[in-house]
Amino acid sequence: EAGVAQSPRYKIIEKRQSVAFWCNPISGHATLYWYQQILGQGPKLLIQFQNNGVVDDSQLPKDRFSAERLKGVDSTLKIQPAKLEDSAVYLCASSSVDRGGPYNEQFFGPGTRLTVL
Amino acid sequence: KQEVTQIPAALSVPEGENLVLNCSFTDSAIYNLQWFRQDPGKGLTSLLLIQSSQREQTSGRLNASLDKSSGRSTLYIAASQPGDSATYLCAVISSGSARQLTFGSGTQLTVLP
Repeated sequence: EAGVAQSPRYKIIEKRQSVAFWCNPISGHATLYWYQQILGQGPKLLIQFQNNGVVDDSQLPKDRFSAERLKGVDSTLKIQPAKLEDSAVYLCASSSVDRGGPYNEQFFGPGTRLTVL
Repeated sequence: KQEVTQIPAALSVPEGENLVLNCSFTDSAIYNLQWFRQDPGKGLTSLLLIQSSQREQTSGRLNASLDKSSGRSTLYIAASQPGDSATYLCAVISSGSARQLTFGSGTQLTVLP
């Protein structure tokens, strides 16, 4: 079974530029998560999708971050314009959990390491 | 708001030692607790998942315990090996949340040969 795929693996940009990350979850997984992990910290949830709908985006800085999962499969996270403090690893995870149902394990991709200069 | 703390932040031990990593959480109303391993440049790998009704889980040389009433969990690693070197993260799912993980900052473990 293929795991969660993410691209690119690394990205270096200058502040005020735009950047986009792509995630393809495990086939059949309805729930997709984007996390931000700053160096030395644990991952922090940015947004959670259930199929193509947003379950929670309360911690997403909506003035600069956006995410979509148009067909309920793969997803794109965008930052526009980037700031120095956006330097982090962006992790995508997926699970087969249904909202309000029993918890099913989240499977994580390798992440995209973003450096903003 | 749930907060998860891990102590120590870093730990270095000689090969063969038994060790304990600690995790504490502020809200005891949790659905389950999960321990992850993260290698440099890699994603997270789930090690053990303890449901709120359980006291412990074991997998090979790893044993995780949960004391929900005191808001604590420990990860015990027996006979440590250099290949165990990684960052270990603790995460909880709080009851009532949309099954979202709240992570601690992790313990960076180095096992010296």
